[in-house]
Amino acid sequence: SQQGEEDPQALSIQEGENATMNCSYKTSINNLQWYRQNSGRGLVHLILIRSNEREKHSGRLRVTLDTSKKSSSLLITASRAADTASYFCATAETSGSRLTFGEGTQLTVNP
Amino acid sequence: DAGITQSPRHKVTETGTPVTLRCHQTENHRYMYWYRQDPGHGLRLIHYSYGVKDTDKGEVSDGYSVSRSKTEDFLLTLESATSSQTSVYFCAISESADTQYFGPGTRLTVL
Repeated sequence: SQQGEEDPQALSIQEGENATMNCSYKTSINNLQWYRQNSGRGLVHLILIRSNEREKHSGRLRVTLDTSKKSSSLLITASRAADTASYFCATAETSGSRLTFGEGTQLTVNP
Repeated sequence: DAGITQSPRHKVTETGTPVTLRCHQTENHRYMYWYRQDPGHGLRLIHYSYGVKDTDKGEVSDGYSVSRSKTEDFLLTLESATSSQTSVYFCAISESADTQYFGPGTRLTVL
C-alpha cells in the first residue's frame, strides 16, 4: 500500500502563479522527499526534509512538514512552463531505509 | 542521470519468456533499487541491494529476482514474463540510502 498520498492528483495553473501540492502519510518517518518526473523520464530529486525540520527552501521551492498531522506541502513559486511535470512525495520510515512513493500530482503550467 | 544507464530502454517480449534488465552505475554508490511504475500506483519497490551480493525484497517482489555480483551492476530478471509485468521499470542508486538518483527507465511490454 502507498505510504504517501498526494493531493490534488492534477493541478493546472498559469505561468507566474504559485503551485501547492500536498502529501499525507500514515506512519512515523525519518525524512520526506519530493521528486519531479518529466514525461518519459526518470525521477529527479528536488528536496529532502527531515522529521525534526518544519520548513525548508531551495530556490523557488518551499517544503513544509507537519509531523503531528503527518503531512507535507510543496510550494513552487512563480511557476514556469518548464515546471510542468509530475511531482511525487516519498517517505523513509527510518534512516537508511527504503522509500515509499505516493502516486504523484500532475502539474501543468500554461504559458 | 547521475551516471546511471539502463538497458534495454525498450523491450517487447512474449508471455512465458525470461527477461533480464540491466542497471549500470558509474558512481560507486552502495545502494541500488528496482522499481516499477504503473498508472494509478506510482512507483513500487521490487527489490533493492545494499551491497555486492546483498539484496532484499521490496513491496512487489513476486515473479522477480535480482543479482548484484559487482558494485556497478544490478540485474532484474523476470523468470517467466506475464502480461501483468508490462510496466516501466526504473533503477535508482543512492550513496546514503536517503536521496536516490534514477535512471531513464525501461519500457517493457509482455504480449
